[in-house]
Amino acid sequence: KAGVTQTPRYLIKTRGQQVTLSCSPISGHRSVSWYQQTPGQGLQFLFEYFSETQRNKGNFPGRFSGRQFSNSRSEMNVSTLELGDSALYLCASSLKAGGAGNTIYFGEGSWLTVV
Amino acid sequence: AQTVTQSQPEMSVQEAETVTLSCTYDTSESDYYLFWYKQPPSRQMILVIRQEAYKQQNATENRFSVNFQKAAKSFSLKISDSQLGDAAMYFCAYISNFGNEKLTFGTGTRLTIIP
Repeated sequence: KAGVTQTPRYLIKTRGQQVTLSCSPISGHRSVSWYQQTPGQGLQFLFEYFSETQRNKGNFPGRFSGRQFSNSRSEMNVSTLELGDSALYLCASSLKAGGAGNTIYFGEGSWLTVV
Repeated sequence: AQTVTQSQPEMSVQEAETVTLSCTYDTSESDYYLFWYKQPPSRQMILVIRQEAYKQQNATENRFSVNFQKAAKSFSLKISDSQLGDAAMYFCAYISNFGNEKLTFGTGTRLTIIP
């Protein structure tokens, strides 16, 4: 079956703009989580959604937000982009919420460059 | 808070040889899962192997095996018969089985395969 799908794969935005990234989980998976990967900070947890509810949020400013739809697809939005938001944004899906004996599968990521 | 430490930023191994990547973690919990993920140049995070903390038997997946020492909080990855396709960044990750369910990653080890 299809894996975790993220769109767009690559995008360039200007400071001050906003961006929306999309993630379609593996069929049947109800949990979607987002991670930011940068050379300086490594992999950092952004948030997790399960059944359309945000269950957990990482230590990021309010400019970072997300949501999950009834079909488990998720979007994350970053408003008022800053140069430091340039990163690889990884989406992951799992069958159940969080740890709970899950295996967590990742998408190929969305490369965001802010200029 | 849980932490994951990978003390080897870079490792190299001759093709067909065996290499071991180190990982230590810190947690006060007893029920958790540990993972090794591989991130090739494509940047997709690929699950290599998964270990459940309550299982004493070390996990194996073909040429990949782990040495899980719960008391020492150590979780090393052994790659046997190394192949050129094994070249990648390898991340050790921890997730609790309850509570704050998010993956905590180490800083990664870049593995180079020498032909």
